[in-house]
Amino acid sequence: SQTIHQWPATLVQPVGSPLSLECTVEGTSNPNLYWYRQAAGRGLQLLFYSVGIGQISSEVPQNLSASRPQDRQFILSSKKLLLSDSGFYLCASRGAGTTNEKLFFGSGTQLSVL
Amino acid sequence: GQQVMQIPQYQHVQEGEDFTTYCNSSTTLSNIQWYKQRPGGHPVFLIQLVKSGEVKKQKRLTFQFGEAKKNSSLHITATQTTDVGTYFCARTALIFGKGTTLSVSS
Repeated sequence: SQTIHQWPATLVQPVGSPLSLECTVEGTSNPNLYWYRQAAGRGLQLLFYSVGIGQISSEVPQNLSASRPQDRQFILSSKKLLLSDSGFYLCASRGAGTTNEKLFFGSGTQLSVL
Repeated sequence: GQQVMQIPQYQHVQEGEDFTTYCNSSTTLSNIQWYKQRPGGHPVFLIQLVKSGEVKKQKRLTFQFGEAKKNSSLHITATQTTDVGTYFCARTALIFGKGTTLSVSS
């Protein structure tokens, strides 16, 4: 099965500072990769997904961007954080192919913007 | 549109009581997946349903897919404190329900 490495686990950043969250995947090749945000006590909001190196699809216009420099590496970034960027960020991976593949999630990053 | 609605949003039960969460769609689903997220944790895949009318069981958990493939349910028999968490249905990786948060008191 796949293993998703996501770090850091927690992060406190001031408003206006940059952000870089990294996610790496083991146990699969050419996965579909996803970034989700979860506000406290709320559902999962899909932010970005990628079906291959350099291919990024954005689901929600926002202050964030994503990149996929390598097959099993997915990065979430921001040039200037806003208070509203606070939340629980989850990286997920799914095998390429059909939509029947299950998602494997990383352990998440709790981001607090102050 | 393609959203899935989950009800209830929250449910509190006494340990030993049963629990059911429902997932509804206005359009036909090719499949439905269920995930569980423990407090402070990340979502973990539970099961996938594909066939119309399908019923699958995992110990005390029973998952059903409607005949019209527009709804699904998760039923937990005799809840335990280990069942605490948020249960999500997902029609694809792109579309998750908002989840049902279950709390259990002993």
